[in-house]
Amino acid sequence: QQQVKQSPQSLIVQKGGISIINCAYENTAFDYFPWYQQFPGKGPALLIAIRPDVSEKKEGRFTISFNKSAKQFSLHIMDSQPGDSATYFCAASTGGTASKLTFGTGTRLQVTL
Amino acid sequence: GAVVSQHPSRVICKSGTSVKIECRSLDFQATTMFWYRQFPKQSLMLMATSNEGSKATYEQGVEKDKFLINHASLTLSTLTVTSAHPEDSSFYICSARDLGHPVAIYFGEGSWLTVV
Repeated sequence: QQQVKQSPQSLIVQKGGISIINCAYENTAFDYFPWYQQFPGKGPALLIAIRPDVSEKKEGRFTISFNKSAKQFSLHIMDSQPGDSATYFCAASTGGTASKLTFGTGTRLQVTL
Repeated sequence: GAVVSQHPSRVICKSGTSVKIECRSLDFQATTMFWYRQFPKQSLMLMATSNEGSKATYEQGVEKDKFLINHASLTLSTLTVTSAHPEDSSFYICSARDLGHPVAIYFGEGSWLTVV
């Protein structure tokens, strides 16, 4: 049973456009929702994360929107750049010291010139 | 930001031999480290969770005798692939939970294992 569903699988966005990646979760015990960025051949890098007590968090061009009632959260990349081309993974955990991350299936983003 | 170092980044070994991959948290203490395996164009598959000073907890379907995990200190965990076979060839990634900020989990750069 996949507990975190991510869409789309792939995304092509023009430079300067907005990239939007969506995730939905099932486990209501999740209370920590990070996004990771992974370049080919590299490990994932923590990009931005949110707790369910806020509906939005912004860091530079990256924004997480969180809808607790719908059990959905999304990543918005404003002014997308070719350097943003990577695979993005959403994840969720219960946030406790013994908890582990449950990952989405990933979205391959390509930002074209 | 927190740095997790993995070594080696690439390793080639002969079938039947064992290979060890190290995972170190460089600027923080890690109560818990995780080991993942990732196939091309796929998500990360959690193999096991290791806690300092105790036995690792393996995910269902992961052979504990084949993938030996040791978490000897708050900054070092190792994964040893024993009697490696070509099907063990993969990208292995570790991650670590910061003792000081237990919510955040940071990943290493990954290790490419090729078994020939």
